[in-house]
Amino acid sequence: EPEVTQTPSHQVTQMGQEVILRCVPISNHLYFYWYRQILGQKVEFLVSFYNNEISEKSEIFDDQFSVERPDGSNFTLKIRSTKLEDSAMYFCASSEANSRLVSAGELFFGEGSRLTVL
Amino acid sequence: DQQVKQNSPSLSVQEGRISILNCDYTNSMFDYFLWYKKYPAEGPTFLISISSIKDKNEDGRFTVFLNKSAKHLSLHIVPSQPGDSAVYFCAASEGTGNQFYFGTGTSLTVIP
Repeated sequence: EPEVTQTPSHQVTQMGQEVILRCVPISNHLYFYWYRQILGQKVEFLVSFYNNEISEKSEIFDDQFSVERPDGSNFTLKIRSTKLEDSAMYFCASSEANSRLVSAGELFFGEGSRLTVL
Repeated sequence: DQQVKQNSPSLSVQEGRISILNCDYTNSMFDYFLWYKKYPAEGPTFLISISSIKDKNEDGRFTVFLNKSAKHLSLHIVPSQPGDSAVYFCAASEGTGNQFYFGTGTSLTVIP
């Protein structure tokens, strides 16, 4: 069964350092997302990406964050200067279609990358 | 701004009985809803969805009910199995958007 894969599974970094989280979405999917879950809190939307550009982003996704699809398979989330409050589980997701298309709008999530900022 | 709420952080059910997980939302523009299951150290896994044009969707042991006037949806699992023990998230989106709003989750424990 196709799946979304994420690397690394866990990254520990010092405050102020740059971090890149990598994702390989399901190959025929067109929409890509990053979500995060701070420990004990809800899953929060960060950004969606379609046709090589950001289609939506939340207020969490400030100038410290950027996303890129550098080639045909990878989808990356970069945090330029990490802060303590960036510590969270970051989930990549992909979907075949926009959520408006009812039968195909499900998101498929990766297993997450745990980021710990010290 | 909690647009999707799951007011029960946990639920325990005997094996074989029905599990009912509830979710409320505040945004009347939401028209697509999903339930996800999450095991520890794994990403959320899609379970079942429902659009606002329906009030019920069934898939095997899982049924989702949508009450638009009450802005409430529920997930019924029957019969419940120990392998159903996980955290269940409901999520909602507006028709033109790709952003899903998640609830805080309900941890279901099915007791053998």
